Amino acid sequence: SSELTQDPAVSVALGQTVRITCQGDSLRTYSATWYQQKPGQAPILVIYGKNNRPSGIPDRFSGSNSGNTASLTITGTQAEDEADYFCNSRDSSISHLGWVFGGGTKLTVL
Amino acid sequence: QVQLVQSGAEVKKPGASVKISCKASGYTFTSHWMHWVRQAPGQGLEWMGIINPTGSSTTYAQKFQGRVTLTRDTSTSTDYMELSSLRSEDTAFYYCARDNSIAADGTWWFDPWGQGTLVTVSS
Repeated sequence: SSELTQDPAVSVALGQTVRITCQGDSLRTYSATWYQQKPGQAPILVIYGKNNRPSGIPDRFSGSNSGNTASLTITGTQAEDEADYFCNSRDSSISHLGWVFGGGTKLTVL
Repeated sequence: QVQLVQSGAEVKKPGASVKISCKASGYTFTSHWMHWVRQAPGQGLEWMGIINPTGSSTTYAQKFQGRVTLTRDTSTSTDYMELSSLRSEDTAFYYCARDNSIAADGTWWFDPWGQGTLVTVSS
């Protein structure tokens, strides 16, 4: 099956911009989706498709895709953005029909 | 509002089975597939499988083939995930998550998610 690779941890100063990346062969075929998870809570959707935000997600969150890399950018990071972020896509392996998640990135807001 | 409500925490012995429910509300149940995802304590998310809107078709991650069974009861808008031959490594939160897609764009997303069900496997 395919794999998605994320940096385990990233930090950003309050109010600054941070980019969280996700790499994998499946991203050449399928768009990445991004989820935010805070301690003790279920994941919530923050970005899907080319760069779509569900209602309720602030416009400081944006997504992009290039080749085998997807990025989640938070512009003007707020303290409440501190969380784990997971990317996800359809698995492009011929032998495996399914979905795959990245290992997650823990975002710390300084 | 669209909501998925899962059954409560379970404690099981190694070798036993567990069956978790996920009751949907606020949308047409038979218009969406449903995913199951698990998360071991302090670890990442792991996709387990998906069931189609009528419950007639399932796809499972290779890792869980032979041990997981997804079913649904359309009369009660409830999905079920059963995991057998439990071992300590199966201790995790288990989530159901509604599938949404724009297949022509190669886009799928999981939204909403259930609140999660903690399964503890311990002798």
